[in-house]
This record gives sequence, structure tokens and C-alpha cells, in this order.
Amino acid sequence: DAGVIQSPRHEVTEMGQEVTLRCKPISGHNSLFWYRQTMMRGLELLIYFNNNVPIDDSGMPEDRFSAKMPNASFSTLKIQPSEPRDSAVYFCASSLGGRREKLFFGSGTQLSVL
Amino acid sequence: SQQGEEDPQALSIQEGENATMNCSYKTSINNLQWYRQNSGRGLVHLILIRSNEREKHSGRLRVTLDTSKKSSSLLITASRAADTASYFCATDMGTNDMRFGAGTRLTVKP
Repeated sequence: DAGVIQSPRHEVTEMGQEVTLRCKPISGHNSLFWYRQTMMRGLELLIYFNNNVPIDDSGMPEDRFSAKMPNASFSTLKIQPSEPRDSAVYFCASSLGGRREKLFFGSGTQLSVL
Repeated sequence: SQQGEEDPQALSIQEGENATMNCSYKTSINNLQWYRQNSGRGLVHLILIRSNEREKHSGRLRVTLDTSKKSSSLLITASRAADTASYFCATDMGTNDMRFGAGTRLTVKP
């Protein structure tokens, strides 16, 4: 298995632009998590899907952030409009069986908003 | 806010020595997990210990859990330069969240 695949690996954009991050979870995993990592705040859970349904999005910073999971093999995290304070590494992770155990992380997307 | 707090923030040791990292948390948990993150990479799951377990081993890793003190420790024995990474504890509180601590940055000098 290729593991959790995220794209792009790096994204540099200007303030105000729309950013879309993509994630392909491990086949057969039915829980998907989006995390954001910064030096100041560490790892923060943004949103958690179970069987493609958003279960908890209380970590999404504000209305500029949205996430979708149209099917079991694909999820997107969109920021519109982007701001410099959104600069961070965004990780997608998946796990088996709807449990928060043994998360498999992607390599992350390094986002820089200028 | 972060649930788990790792201690120390940074640790530097010589190859062959043991490394001990601690994690404290605030609320009741279902399980506690340890992850490793190499620079520029995603986190990798190392070991999980459930709330009714006190100790667990996996290769050179030993994890303990003291629910009365709300703390856990990760021991890496006979460390290697390849163990250089950041180590995070994560607590599953049975809600829809799993909180990660700020991490311990371990440097193993060859």
C-alpha cells in the first residue's frame, strides 16, 4: 500500500487566493483526519470524518476553511481566501474502523501564504 | 489547547544511551499513543497503551502508563542516531478528538 497520499507537497500562494489541499487515505480506512502543525500551536485537529461524514469540525478555524469527503478515497481541505496566518504544514491521516487508534499520516503539505 | 504535555522539550544523548520522555495529561483517557516525526515528514505511530494497561513493550521501546498520576513515559533503550526525531504523545479521550502534545525533540549523537 502506498500509504496516505497528500498533494501538493508544497504550496506557495498570495494572500486572498484560494488554496485546495488533497488527500487520498489508505484503502479500507474509514476514518480521516485533517491536522495543522505550527511551531506556536503544535498539532491541531481541524476536522474528522467517519465513513465520509464529517463528525467533528469544531477545530476548523473559521468560515474560510472547508473540507469535503465526496467518497472513501478522496478528501479536500479548502481555504478561501487564504491569509498569511494560515501558513503551516497540513497533515491528513487515516485510521481503520472509526477508531482514533494508530493513525497513518501523509507527508503533509507545506503551505506558505505571502 | 493541548492535552498531552511532553517533558523534556528537548533531549540530547549519545548513541547507546537510553532516552526517557514523559507525557502528562489532564482528563481521563481511553488510550495513549506515542508517535515519532522525522524532520519534514508525517508522524509515524509507535505504540498504543490502553487505560487498563500499565506497561507495554515493542522492540527497544517501553511505555508505561500511570492513570492515577495521569502520566506516561516512553523509554528508548540502546538509542541509535536514526532515533533522532520528535516524539509526541497523543491522548484519546473518547470524544471526537485526539490531542497531541507539543513533542520532545530527541537528538542522538553518533
